[in-house]
Amino acid sequence: AQKITQTQPGMFVQEKEAVTLDCTYDTSDPSYGLFWYKQPSSGEMIFLIYQGSYDQQNATEGRYSLNFQKARKSANLVISASQLGDSAMYFCAMRDYYDYKLSFGAGTTVTVRA
Amino acid sequence: DVKVTQSSRYLVKRTGEKVFLECVQDMDHENMFWYRQDPGLGLRLIYFSYDVKMKEKGDIPEGYSVSREKKERFSLILESASTNQTSMYLCASTGVDYGYTFGSGTRLTVV
Repeated sequence: AQKITQTQPGMFVQEKEAVTLDCTYDTSDPSYGLFWYKQPSSGEMIFLIYQGSYDQQNATEGRYSLNFQKARKSANLVISASQLGDSAMYFCAMRDYYDYKLSFGAGTTVTVRA
Repeated sequence: DVKVTQSSRYLVKRTGEKVFLECVQDMDHENMFWYRQDPGLGLRLIYFSYDVKMKEKGDIPEGYSVSREKKERFSLILESASTNQTSMYLCASTGVDYGYTFGSGTRLTVV
């Protein structure tokens, strides 16, 4: 079974600063995909970024980047220039390539301070 | 705008009641999922379906069943609701790409 670990239950970050959210995973499959989602207080799940296990470069989407270290089974999310609207719960998730099931970590709550 | 629609945003039910949570998607996706979300535990997969009338148990299927009679609709059934099933329930769907679309969730309270 897949396992996703997010060790930071909550974090505070100052507006305009960068924040790194940790995610480690465990799988025996060589082909897999890693996701990050944002869940604001409204409850919707917003897709942020995706990294495939064979992608050579780290994924980036605007202010979001994924620091993918395959050998360490680590997929940390970096949010640059934090904004007040970034305050939310953030989930790391993974699926194996041939299996559509998405497994989630416990989540990290980010609070951005003005 | 593609959508996954969950029929109720908030639901209060009594212990022992049979509860139906409905989910409809308009993207012609083959795969649909039911998760429950609890603080500190993230999202846990209850059941998923990869085709009409096909279903597989997820990580926490006990106390739940599902129905998928049509491609666009995936129902979660609590046969006899219990207080430990008080939770947020999220439905999701995906097709052949990596895009997952989530519903807005149903917050179920069992009293």
